[in-house]
Amino acid sequence: DQQVKQNSPSLSVQEGRISILNCDYTNSMFDYFLWYKKYPAEGPTFLISISSIKDKNEDGRFTVFLNKSAKHLSLHIVPSQPGDSAVYFCAASDGNYGGSQGNLIFGKGTKLSVKP
Amino acid sequence: NAGVTQTPKFQVLKTGQSMTLQCAQDMNHNSMYWYRQDPGMGLRLIYYSASEGTTDKGEVPNGYNVSRLNKREFSLRLESAAPSQTSVYFCASRITDSTDTQYFGPGTRLTVL
Repeated sequence: DQQVKQNSPSLSVQEGRISILNCDYTNSMFDYFLWYKKYPAEGPTFLISISSIKDKNEDGRFTVFLNKSAKHLSLHIVPSQPGDSAVYFCAASDGNYGGSQGNLIFGKGTKLSVKP
Repeated sequence: NAGVTQTPKFQVLKTGQSMTLQCAQDMNHNSMYWYRQDPGMGLRLIYYSASEGTTDKGEVPNGYNVSRLNKREFSLRLESAAPSQTSVYFCASRITDSTDTQYFGPGTRLTVL
C-alpha cells in the first residue's frame, strides 16, 4: 500500500504561469516532507522541505504548503520556467519512529513540462 | 567537494554474473542509502547504513548485499544478477540532524540480459 501518493503522472504548464504539484500521504506519523527534482540521467536534487509543525515554507519561486488534517502537501512554482521541466518527487520521513532512522518514502513522481 | 559519487555510470551484465556498485561521499555524512528506480516508480530503498559499521534492509533487499567499508564508502553487491534487477541505482547520504534531507549521487544504469 502506497504511503506517499502523487496521483498526477504528468503536468503541462505555460511559461510564466503557476505550477502546482500535489502529494497525499497516509501515515500520520510522518513529520518531515521533502520535494526533489530530477532531470533525465541525473540523480534527484533536493528542492525544498517542510516540517510538520509548519504549514508553509517558501524559497524563492518555490513554496510548499502542508495540510496535516487532509494529509496533503503541494509544491507551487511561480513563475514557471522551461528549466523547471523535470520529474518532481515528493518524499516523507517518520523520523525515528519504529526504528526507521528517518528513512524517506517516495511518491512515484510527477513529470512537469513547462512550455515556452 | 564532489558530494556523492558513484561508479560505474553504466553496466551491462549477463544473467548470473556478479558485480559491485561503488558509492562514496565526501560530506562527512553518517547515514548512507541505496535505492533503485524503475520506470513509473518512485525510489525504493534497498539497504541503508545509519552509521559506520551498521547496515539494515530496506523495502526491496532481496538479491543484494551491502558493505559499509568506512564512513565515506557504501557498496552494493549483486551476487547473481537477474533481469529483474535491471534498473537505475542511486546512492544517497544524509547527515544526522532533524531535517532528514538526503543527497543523491548521479546514478548507475544497470542492464541485466
